[in-house]
Amino acid sequence: TQLLEQSPQFLSIQEGENLTVYCNSSSVFSSLQWYRQEPGEGPVLLVTVVTGGEVKKLKRLTFQFGDARKDSSLHITAAQPGDTGLYLCAGLSGNTPLVFGKGTRLSVIA
Amino acid sequence: KAGVTQTPRYLIKTRGQQVTLSCSPISGHRSVSWYQQTPGQGLQFLFEYFSETQRNKGNFPGRFSGRQFSNSRSEMNVSTLELGDSALYLCASSLRGGEGYGYTFGSGTRLTVV
Repeated sequence: TQLLEQSPQFLSIQEGENLTVYCNSSSVFSSLQWYRQEPGEGPVLLVTVVTGGEVKKLKRLTFQFGDARKDSSLHITAAQPGDTGLYLCAGLSGNTPLVFGKGTRLSVIA
Repeated sequence: KAGVTQTPRYLIKTRGQQVTLSCSPISGHRSVSWYQQTPGQGLQFLFEYFSETQRNKGNFPGRFSGRQFSNSRSEMNVSTLELGDSALYLCASSLRGGEGYGYTFGSGTRLTVV
């Protein structure tokens, strides 16, 4: 069974601070996806990374896929209250189902 | 274009009853996956349907079942409800599912078993 471990589980920071969220596995994934979920809603896809070492940027969010395709990180620069939410990483390999980590709950305080 | 529609949004059922949840995927999408989300376990995969066939199945008891219709709409059924079945049930729509394809989630059905 492929497992994804996310850390930290909870994060509370002040507006303007930087943060990094980690997603680790002992398994290799063909691609990693990051989602953000707000209360009462389903997860929304932020990005997909497919190549080992790949870095993608989405405004103040930077996503990196590890060289061995077993881990990924999400870095947020100058966090804003609107970044508050549950951040989920999910791995894909072949036609196996999307496997999710348990998420990092981020709270950005104004 | 319309997103993924899940109905109902909220549901309260009594232990021992059964329940049917519905998911209408994005037009043209043929893959529908179902997930159970709880605070302790996160998102756990239930099953995936592609072109009316179950392609993958998670580790849930046989009380959990699903199906997909020719128009790609999907239903999941839970029989003999238990308190532990209380959760947010999410469905995800994808063009084909698997590598290279994105997933769009619905807003979920919040099931409470009392």
